[in-house]
Amino acid sequence: AQKITQTQPGMFVQEKEAVTLDCTYDTSDQSYGLFWYKQPSSGEMIFLIYQGSYDEQNATEGRYSLNFQKARKSANLVISASQLGDSAMYFCAMRAYSGGGADGLTFGKGTHLIIQP
Amino acid sequence: EADIYQTPRYLVIGTGKKITLECSQTMGHDKMYWYQQDPGMELHLIHYSYGVNSTEKGDLSSESTVSRIRTEHFPLTLESARPSHTSQYLCASSLYNEQFFGPGTRLTVL
Repeated sequence: AQKITQTQPGMFVQEKEAVTLDCTYDTSDQSYGLFWYKQPSSGEMIFLIYQGSYDEQNATEGRYSLNFQKARKSANLVISASQLGDSAMYFCAMRAYSGGGADGLTFGKGTHLIIQP
Repeated sequence: EADIYQTPRYLVIGTGKKITLECSQTMGHDKMYWYQQDPGMELHLIHYSYGVNSTEKGDLSSESTVSRIRTEHFPLTLESARPSHTSQYLCASSLYNEQFFGPGTRLTVL
């Protein structure tokens, strides 16, 4: 079984500052993927970034980067130069590729990010 | 941009009614999923499918049922809705790693 822990229920950040959202995970699988999704108040889930457990380089997608520290089982999301439109819930999730169990994503409880002007 | 659709977006219904939440995708993805999300909480997997005629239960026990008769269509049915079923239901599909989500259905059972 997998477990995702997000320890920041809410964060307030000034516009244009960089933001780091924390995520730690627990799994006994050797092959897995880590995901970050953004959920605005409208409710849809927007995919941001993906990191495979065997990827040696940290993933980047525009203003988003994933700080992957495998030994610490950490997959923090970094948003550079935050914008007002970044205000939303952010979920860290993972999926194991080996072993049995349901084939879906396991989500953390999320971080509510509010960007202040 | 993902092409995955859910209807209705919002549904308010009385206890005991039978409801079907629709989900369809035009990307030809074999894998499809249903997640349940209570307000302010994380998503939990309730059903998934690897393809036509394949359905499996997820990590969270649910009284709902699903079917997969066509690749693009993955409806979820509640035979008798109860207030405890009030939640948001999100459908997703996947080809490899990334899961594309639909806009969700917010269900309220009175």
